[in-house]
Amino acid sequence: DAKTTQPPSMDCAEGRAANLPCNHSTISGNEYVYWYRQIHSQGPQYIIHGLKNNETNEMASLIITEDRKSSTLILPHATLRDTAVYYCIVREGAQKLVFGQGTRLTINP
Amino acid sequence: EAGVVQSPRYKIIEKKQPVAFWCNPISGHNTLYWYRQNLGQGPELLIRYENEEAVDDSQLPKDRFSAERLKGVDSTLKIQPAELGDSAVYLCASSWTASSYEQYFGPGTRLTVT
Repeated sequence: DAKTTQPPSMDCAEGRAANLPCNHSTISGNEYVYWYRQIHSQGPQYIIHGLKNNETNEMASLIITEDRKSSTLILPHATLRDTAVYYCIVREGAQKLVFGQGTRLTINP
Repeated sequence: EAGVVQSPRYKIIEKKQPVAFWCNPISGHNTLYWYRQNLGQGPELLIRYENEEAVDDSQLPKDRFSAERLKGVDSTLKIQPAELGDSAVYLCASSWTASSYEQYFGPGTRLTVT
């Protein structure tokens, strides 16, 4: 079973920041938080991951709370192409990725 | 860099028929994964290969599913015989190692069993 909880769906206006929350209250000290997304009819795509510090790359920012029980993925300037299902996953080392149902993000023009 | 290649993209078969899916991972990736994704659900791992060795096949229904990865490169996933409940998208992914943070997924094969 997935160790994370995400809202089933969210909407965001094009050009605005999309903030996707994730709860992982039972995360252990060695588990990383990963985010993947899946655009319709495509395979999942890695976005970002982090352990305890906030992370930023060309796609998104990941904010992890100090107690590590929750995190937020931020897409700073959402475009229509960001419409997808976003999966938050906790994983340690070589453990398998366990996908939940994710959040269906819709970017509206 | 070429991505993970899967074929066919779509397959429709009648129940009890066999079916096979093919995957060519990214060159140099030692770890290969097969996932199954049911409608409205996230992908679920079926089997993981480290080079030629299947190191995690606990979720593979072994009575009807089989997989192989010859020479540690391409892989084939087979179902024989197919059942109605096997209708799903079958995804292949690869990574440099099992602990790599990024897995690269192919576009998947959508199987419909009638």
